[in-house]
Amino acid sequence: DVKVTQSSRYLVKRTGEKVFLECVQDMDHENMFWYRQDPGLGLRLIYFSYDVKMKEKGDIPEGYSVSREKKERFSLILESASTNQTSMYLCASAQNQPQHFGDGTRLSIL
Amino acid sequence: QKEVEQDPGPLSVPEGAIVSLNCTYSNSAFQYFMWYRQYSRKGPELLMYTYSSGNKEDGRFTAQVDKSSKYISLFIRDSQPSDSATYLCAMSPWGQGGKLIFGQGTELSVKP
Repeated sequence: DVKVTQSSRYLVKRTGEKVFLECVQDMDHENMFWYRQDPGLGLRLIYFSYDVKMKEKGDIPEGYSVSREKKERFSLILESASTNQTSMYLCASAQNQPQHFGDGTRLSIL
Repeated sequence: QKEVEQDPGPLSVPEGAIVSLNCTYSNSAFQYFMWYRQYSRKGPELLMYTYSSGNKEDGRFTAQVDKSSKYISLFIRDSQPSDSATYLCAMSPWGQGGKLIFGQGTELSVKP
């Protein structure tokens, strides 16, 4: 079974902080993704990566950056956290299809 | 108009009922179709995965894809209280590196 592990289930940070969300997959997948999920808005793609050191903007990249230094690890960075970034963040990986998700990080920005 | 439309519900059924969940879409390029189940405060879990048209069955779950009507369905037979969750449809065109387009999700409650 594919395992996608997100480092934190719950996280509370302050406005203006730099926040790191980590994701690791164990299936040697080429593709990794970061989404946020909000009530009424569904899942929205923030960034994705096809390979090490590669990144592509998704639908809502503003305020975020990513890092993929190793194939198994994909990090999401909130450069200066704001209250409107309070959300559930989901990481996924895939070789092509289908995508497999982690359990999410519920992030609160105070 | 959204690329993928899914009735958000909520949908409430008695235990043992047959449940039908549906999504419609507008992009004829979609080739890969998925259903995910998401329990509260957890990530989406892959339930069914279908390439192109046709039916796929796995235990109590059946996925159908009708590309001519741009319509996909998930049927749950003999529904159980443990099936209470949000069900998300997702789809992707060929060669787009795995990007998925999701429906809004349907919240299902199965009452004992």
